[in-house]
Amino acid sequence: DVVLTQTPPTLSATIGQSVSISCRSSQSLLDSDGDTYLNWLLQRPGQSPQLLIYSVSNLESGVPNRFSGSGSETDFTLKISGVEAEDLGVYYCMQATHAPNTFGAGTKLELK
Amino acid sequence: QVQLKESGPGLVQPSQTLSLTCTVSGFSLMDYSVHWVRQPPGKGLEWMGRMKYDGDTYYNSALKSRLSISRDTSKSQVFLKMNSLQTEDTAIYYCTRDLLMDAWGQGASVTVSS
Repeated sequence: DVVLTQTPPTLSATIGQSVSISCRSSQSLLDSDGDTYLNWLLQRPGQSPQLLIYSVSNLESGVPNRFSGSGSETDFTLKISGVEAEDLGVYYCMQATHAPNTFGAGTKLELK
Repeated sequence: QVQLKESGPGLVQPSQTLSLTCTVSGFSLMDYSVHWVRQPPGKGLEWMGRMKYDGDTYYNSALKSRLSISRDTSKSQVFLKMNSLQTEDTAIYYCTRDLLMDAWGQGASVTVSS
């Protein structure tokens, strides 16, 4: 199975600060169809996960544009440009290129 | 409006079988796949398996021997059955739509305990 390694496990930020989360894959996530099925999800406390970004860099409808994704092959980054209070929670990367789908262990974003 | 909703027993005895239902609305099971994901208390997300739009199923190899996913398209429902439950199967069980996982249910909390 593909292993996704997220760093850091915990991130402390102040409101307005820009932060980045890394997700590294044990295998290339470039699919034979040319797409790269690496998504980012946010799980706020007590809530279900929600999709933020799909296929590396595509912003899900309704997600603020302070969120952005980048990367290729095995190295991916989620950036939040100006953290807001509603952004607190656990961020997960998830790959769907190789079966079975797998998730990273998560990065908890908290207020400093 | 796309919605998914899990339902099932909150408490299951060890060695028994868990049965959960995911009822969807706002889309057709013949157009989108539905995945099952679980989350033990205080831990991360684990992909369990999926029912593809064409009726094909795929399971996490770690759970494959115990897990079965089926559907009733006329009722817009996807079913999860997992046998031989143990305490480590205590978790919130979610159903979610499609490869993107762009919509999630609110989750069904399942406790395995005698």
